[in-house]
Amino acid sequence: EVKLVESGGGLVQPGRSLKLSCAASGFSFNDYWMGWVRQAPGKGLEWIGEINQDSSTINYTPSLKDKFTISRDNAQNTLYLQMSKLGSEDTAIYYCARYNSGFDYWGQGVMVTVSS
Amino acid sequence: DIVMTQAPLSVSVTPGESASISCRSSKSLLHSNGITYVYWYLQKPGKSPQLLIYRMSNLASGVPDRFSGSGSETDFTLKISRVEAEDVGIYYCGQLLENPNTFGAGTKLELK
Repeated sequence: EVKLVESGGGLVQPGRSLKLSCAASGFSFNDYWMGWVRQAPGKGLEWIGEINQDSSTINYTPSLKDKFTISRDNAQNTLYLQMSKLGSEDTAIYYCARYNSGFDYWGQGVMVTVSS
Repeated sequence: DIVMTQAPLSVSVTPGESASISCRSSKSLLHSNGITYVYWYLQKPGKSPQLLIYRMSNLASGVPDRFSGSGSETDFTLKISRVEAEDVGIYYCGQLLENPNTFGAGTKLELK
């Protein structure tokens, strides 16, 4: 069974950093592109970015390129999202997802709240 | 960025009847390889999104064949025949032709 489990969320002060993890299981992690999508409270889906199998290609939505960094550890079957200079606009549920003709599997999401 | 515009914002359907949701892209999603890179997702209340349709008209694994996708280069339709209670939620179209990938604002489906 394919499983994606995010962790590392919580309450963080404005201007601080936070690193999210996404533990993958049930499939060959290093065969797939992976991505991050977020959803602000009561809002729609926003694509954050993607990373290919060997981390040689990483793409971001332009507005987040200087704040967020996507990485992966294929030995640990884990995807990461390093977030810096967080502001209230970054308050959202963060999902990791597997690319396979679209996002075919999603994690349960992890909540990040940016507030003083 | 490619803008995805969905209509309507919400739809109320009697169980057993059909429903259609439209999505329009600001640019053709037809690649030179013949694939149209539009996708449909359903987010049930309190849940993560799930893939329904990929590449405009292909049913994702495990999705009932009551769901179907169609369209042209810029205009797309998700049709749900014989709506059931489990179909309630927010439907999103999305495009993977270009980065950044973008989604529509969503269409909320409710039951009458």
